[in-house]
Amino acid sequence: QLQLQESGPGLVRPSETLSLTCTISGGSINNNYWSWVRQPAGKGLEWLGRISPSGILLYHPSLESRVTVSVDTSQNRFTLELRSVTAADTAVYYCARQVYGSPFDSWGQGTLVTVSS
Amino acid sequence: IVLTQSPDFQSVTPKEKVTITCRASQSVGTSLHWYQQKPHQSPKLLIKFASQSISGVPSRFSGSGSGTDFTLTINGLEAEDAAMYYCHQSSSLLTFGGGTKVEIK
Repeated sequence: QLQLQESGPGLVRPSETLSLTCTISGGSINNNYWSWVRQPAGKGLEWLGRISPSGILLYHPSLESRVTVSVDTSQNRFTLELRSVTAADTAVYYCARQVYGSPFDSWGQGTLVTVSS
Repeated sequence: IVLTQSPDFQSVTPKEKVTITCRASQSVGTSLHWYQQKPHQSPKLLIKFASQSISGVPSRFSGSGSGTDFTLTINGLEAEDAAMYYCHQSSSLLTFGGGTKVEIK
């Protein structure tokens, strides 16, 4: 059974870079699309970015200048970098799997990242 | 593509029928999916491609629609269905609706 697990610092200082890793177990990172989705407390879901099996990247237009998604196939994991963070980036961050054009069928449990000095 | 859900909130008696709508700002064909999210949990896929059922999801959940107008129906609400419900389109980029909170009266 496919499992996704987010990991990374729970606290990031304003203007710094948020870095998270999603480790995949029970399946291969190949042949699937991998995304990051976030959810501020009490608010809705916001898709951030995605990487395809061939490495094609797709980002939310409003975050494109600050976001990078990358994959490490040797470690079966992918990462999120969000630069120049502010308090508005405080949220639970989820990683999720998608077969192209399909819904997200597997999600990590989510990790809370707080941006604060 | 902007997805607009309505209502934002619904308080429903058990066994009642619940209807949640999702309107897209442009056609998404049938690339519209529904999720349920309970507090402190990840979203759970309920319906894919507007009307396709998901293994393990109770049959009281159903979806319909195409193009720009979609509906999630819960036939016979149960207490365990209290949750947030989100629509999501995978036609162009990826976006979510704002969510509908379903509360049990």
